[in-house]
Amino acid sequence: KAGVTQTPRYLIKTRGQQVTLSCSPISGHRSVSWYQQTPGQGLQFLFEYFSETQRNKGNFPGRFSGRQFSNSRSEMNVSTLELGDSALYLCASGSGGQLYNEQFFGPGTRLTVL
Amino acid sequence: GQQLNQSPQSMFIQEGEDVSMNCTSSSIFNTWLWYKQDPGEGPVLLIALYKAGELTSNGRLTAQFGITRKDSFLNISASIPSDVGIYFCAGPLGGGADGLTFGKGTHLIIQP
Repeated sequence: KAGVTQTPRYLIKTRGQQVTLSCSPISGHRSVSWYQQTPGQGLQFLFEYFSETQRNKGNFPGRFSGRQFSNSRSEMNVSTLELGDSALYLCASGSGGQLYNEQFFGPGTRLTVL
Repeated sequence: GQQLNQSPQSMFIQEGEDVSMNCTSSSIFNTWLWYKQDPGEGPVLLIALYKAGELTSNGRLTAQFGITRKDSFLNISASIPSDVGIYFCAGPLGGGADGLTFGKGTHLIIQP
């Protein structure tokens, strides 16, 4: 099975712009979660989608949003970018079952905000 | 939210040595996961634990789910250069969703 794919791998934006990142989960997986990774804060949960519905949300401002399509592919959007949004954004997919929480990560999108 | 305290923060060891790291939680978990991340890549799932007291191996890696359900341990035996990387513990955020909370990671550095 192909793994989780994320596009683009690298992105450079300036403050005030917006950005959209894309994630394709492992075939058959219905759950997609997004994480932000920075040296200072580590890996932090942004939100999780299952069957096109947001099931859980982390403690991030409303500038961070996401959606999931019927084919389980997901996008996340960050509006009005700030310097502090520079980070590695990771997408993870899982089966979405309530008994197991195994998640499989993509390679990430490295976002740099200038 | 749940806090995961992972220690040590970093380890400098010689090739061939055994490695031990642990993770403690402020609350009870039903699942413990251990990941490894190489530079420029996403975390890779190493071991998943589902029962208190469970001991699970994956090659030279062994992980244990603490009986209090508030801690977990990862051991690496006979370390080799490709073991270098950052190791993370993780547990579920709960609420029936798949989101995870992570420790800050243990940075493993191996001196040949």
